[in-house]
Amino acid sequence: DAGVIQSPRHEVTEMGQEVTLRCKPISGHDYLFWYRQTMMRGLELLIYFNNNVPIDDSGMPEDRFSAKMPNASFSTLKIQPSEPRDSAVYFCASSFSLNSGGSHYEQYFGPGTRLTVT
Amino acid sequence: AQSVTQLGSHVSVSEGALVLLRCNYSSSVPPYLFWYVQYPNQGLQLLLKYTSAATLVKGINGFEAEFKKSETSFHLTKPSAHMSDAAEYFCAVSESGGYNKLIFGAGTRLAVHP
Repeated sequence: DAGVIQSPRHEVTEMGQEVTLRCKPISGHDYLFWYRQTMMRGLELLIYFNNNVPIDDSGMPEDRFSAKMPNASFSTLKIQPSEPRDSAVYFCASSFSLNSGGSHYEQYFGPGTRLTVT
Repeated sequence: AQSVTQLGSHVSVSEGALVLLRCNYSSSVPPYLFWYVQYPNQGLQLLLKYTSAATLVKGINGFEAEFKKSETSFHLTKPSAHMSDAAEYFCAVSESGGYNKLIFGAGTRLAVHP
């Protein structure tokens, strides 16, 4: 399996622009997680989905952030408008539930997207 | 609610020395526990996991961790550090409720010097 795929790997944009980050989870996984990592705040869970349905978005910092999962093999995280404080590495992770034969909530992480907002 | 505390944000050891990274958890139910490693500019990679079987868990790259219920600890060890072990290490606990959510610690950055 190719693992979790994220694109782009690096994104540099100007303040006020819209940014879209993309994620393809591992085939068969029914959970998808979006995290943000910064030096100041560490690893933060933003939102997660189960069977394409958002379960908990309490970690989304503000209304400028939105996430969708239109099907089991694709998710997006959008920031509109972007601000310099959004600069971070954004990770996508996936897992599959015990009901689906998963192994104790183990999550598989993608390589991340490094976002720089100038 | 579940939580994880990693003692020491930075640990430095000599090559060949024992590595000990500390993790304490809080959980109202029997937990699943994980150690992840993050090398520079990469995503998190699973190092090992405790799933209520053996209390001493062996992982990749010579790492192991011991689950101690009485101490609510899951410390990570390696007998002899290698330069390639320099990375950030995260301890995580599963959250009850069956939603596959993990609670991560703040991380410990391990430096290995010659």
